[in-house]
Amino acid sequence: AQSVAQPEDQVKVAEGNPLTVKCTYSVSGNPYLFWYVQYPNRGLQFLLKYITGDNLVKGSYGFEAEFNKSQTSFHLKKPSALVSDSALYFCAVREGSGAAGNKLTFGGGTRVLVKP
Amino acid sequence: ETGVTQTPRHLVMGMTNKKSLKCEQHLGHNAMYWYKQSAKKPLELMFVYNFKEQTENNSVPSRFSPECPNSSHLFLHLHTLQPEDSALYLCASSQADRGAQPQHFGDGTRLSIL
Repeated sequence: AQSVAQPEDQVKVAEGNPLTVKCTYSVSGNPYLFWYVQYPNRGLQFLLKYITGDNLVKGSYGFEAEFNKSQTSFHLKKPSALVSDSALYFCAVREGSGAAGNKLTFGGGTRVLVKP
Repeated sequence: ETGVTQTPRHLVMGMTNKKSLKCEQHLGHNAMYWYKQSAKKPLELMFVYNFKEQTENNSVPSRFSPECPNSSHLFLHLHTLQPEDSALYLCASSQADRGAQPQHFGDGTRLSIL
């Protein structure tokens, strides 16, 4: 079985400061990892994914994430947060391949609040 | 993003009503999904359709009935719902046979059961 944990319900940072949103995962095979963001009254928007290769993945809106196999983590980072980054962030994992393996498991979400 | 469109955006219904949620994707994807998002619960996968065939039913009560007439449209038929079914229902689509492609989400239908 696959699972994802986001240990922080909420993260608060000041605008201009670095932002980190934590995610750890559990999967039996090689993980495919994703980050999504959800703004109020909207669906989830894809930010970035890790499949294989370079452990540092760059995505939309200046976000990046670092895959760490030994720590089974995939933390989301942004060097300088903006007030507009305030939203709900979801980490997700899937294993398997092909049509039968496209089931995503989501973490509980982390609410990010960036203060001016 | 307008690739996945859900209607209606808001729905209020009584427990004895019958209604349907609609999802349409314009991305040429071959897999579609229904999720339930409640206030204090993780995102719950309800149903998965691959190539119009249902491949996942995540122990969803029979008062929720999905329908996928073609690869672009997905419906969720609702009947005799309970107050705990009030939630945001999200539809998503993806290209299931091209490696780990991300799912693309609609903006959801906010459902309130009276």
